[in-house]
Amino acid sequence: EAQVTQNPRYLITVTGKKLTVTCSQNMNHEYMSWYRQDPGLGLRQIYYSMNVEVTDKGDVPEGYKVSRKEKRNFPLILESPSPNQTSLYFCASRRERGEQYFGPGTRLTVT
Amino acid sequence: GQNIDQPTEMTATEGAIVQINCTYQTSGFNGLFWYQQHAGEAPTFLSYNVLDGLEEKGRFSSFLSRSKGYSYLLLKELQMKDSASYLCAPRFLGGKLIFGQGTELSVKP
Repeated sequence: EAQVTQNPRYLITVTGKKLTVTCSQNMNHEYMSWYRQDPGLGLRQIYYSMNVEVTDKGDVPEGYKVSRKEKRNFPLILESPSPNQTSLYFCASRRERGEQYFGPGTRLTVT
Repeated sequence: GQNIDQPTEMTATEGAIVQINCTYQTSGFNGLFWYQQHAGEAPTFLSYNVLDGLEEKGRFSSFLSRSKGYSYLLLKELQMKDSASYLCAPRFLGGKLIFGQGTELSVKP
């Protein structure tokens, strides 16, 4: 089944404790992105990648890091999480001109 | 930056027709997606328009006017399960996809 998976689905953590949210797709898509979604602000792009070893900042990259060492994986790293990073996070993938497929979401709470 | 406008909320009655509008800036435009998102879930693909005109897909249709920077999503024979947020997402040259804030549709019996 074609899909985007992300883990964990739910995470409660404390300020400053490094965490990684994994994302994997099995559709051989070139493009992968991370979004955060907050009430009243919609989906905002954090980082995106156009292919292996090619990443670029989206609209709200501060406080986040990404890497794309393999085509299928695109982890999101929060080196020192803060409460303002409490949000619902989505990973997504697509071909250059195709529709975007979203993962199921990760609900992160930073206390 | 890009400014994508769609209404924040709409309400309609079961069985009716509703039209959700979206406007965007035309510079660098290269196609437009519509997504449906139920609360707490991932967005799911509804439609894609790159040429002017109407694309019909069952109860859902989407229209595009490239010159006017305008699109709409038309939902017919509304069902309660259509209560969701509808996201307009134009794509621009270079592949960048930008999402509007979404229109929260409530379908009443």
